Amino acid sequence: DAGVIQSPRHEVTEMGQEVTLRCKPISGHDYLFWYRQTMMRGLELLIYFNNNVPIDDSGMPEDRFSAKMPNASFSTLKIQPSEPRDSAVYFCASSSGTAGYTFGSGTRLTVV
Amino acid sequence: QKEVEQNSGPLSVPEGAIASLNCTYSDRGSQSFFWYRQYSGKSPELIMFIYSNGDKEDGRFTAQLNKASQYVSLLIRDSQPSDSATYLCAVGISNFGNEKLTFGTGTRLTIIP
Repeated sequence: DAGVIQSPRHEVTEMGQEVTLRCKPISGHDYLFWYRQTMMRGLELLIYFNNNVPIDDSGMPEDRFSAKMPNASFSTLKIQPSEPRDSAVYFCASSSGTAGYTFGSGTRLTVV
Repeated sequence: QKEVEQNSGPLSVPEGAIASLNCTYSDRGSQSFFWYRQYSGKSPELIMFIYSNGDKEDGRFTAQLNKASQYVSLLIRDSQPSDSATYLCAVGISNFGNEKLTFGTGTRLTIIP
């Protein structure tokens, strides 16, 4: 199994631009999570899905953020418009109902 | 008050010694407890999980849980330089940890050769 696959690995964009982060969970995993990690705040849950349905999006910071999971093998996190304070590492993780998550390698986002 | 608290460190331990990492949590309804290791620039990887009070051992790692005190710890025996990383404590409200986890900010551990 290739694990959780995220793309791109790095993204540098200008303030105001749209950013789309992508995630492919492990096949058979029915939970998918989007987390953001910063030095100041650590890992923060943004949103999670169960069987492609959003369950809890209370961590999404504001309307500029949106996430979709059109099928069991793909999810996107979109930021529009992006701001410098959105700079962070964004992790996608998936879980099968057994213990714990498997994280992807993350997307390092820099908004200048 | 943070929901999951860890000493941010850095914690420095001589090679071969026991490293002790601690975590407290605020939600008494928490059911599942995890320790993740994160190397610099990498993603977190699961190393231990525990659901019941007491100790759970896996190789050089021992997780300890005390629900009454809302406290979970990780002991690393015979510490190796490769154990140098940030250790994240995570807490969940389900029995399986497949729902959302709340993470602490991590403790940075350095093993001194």
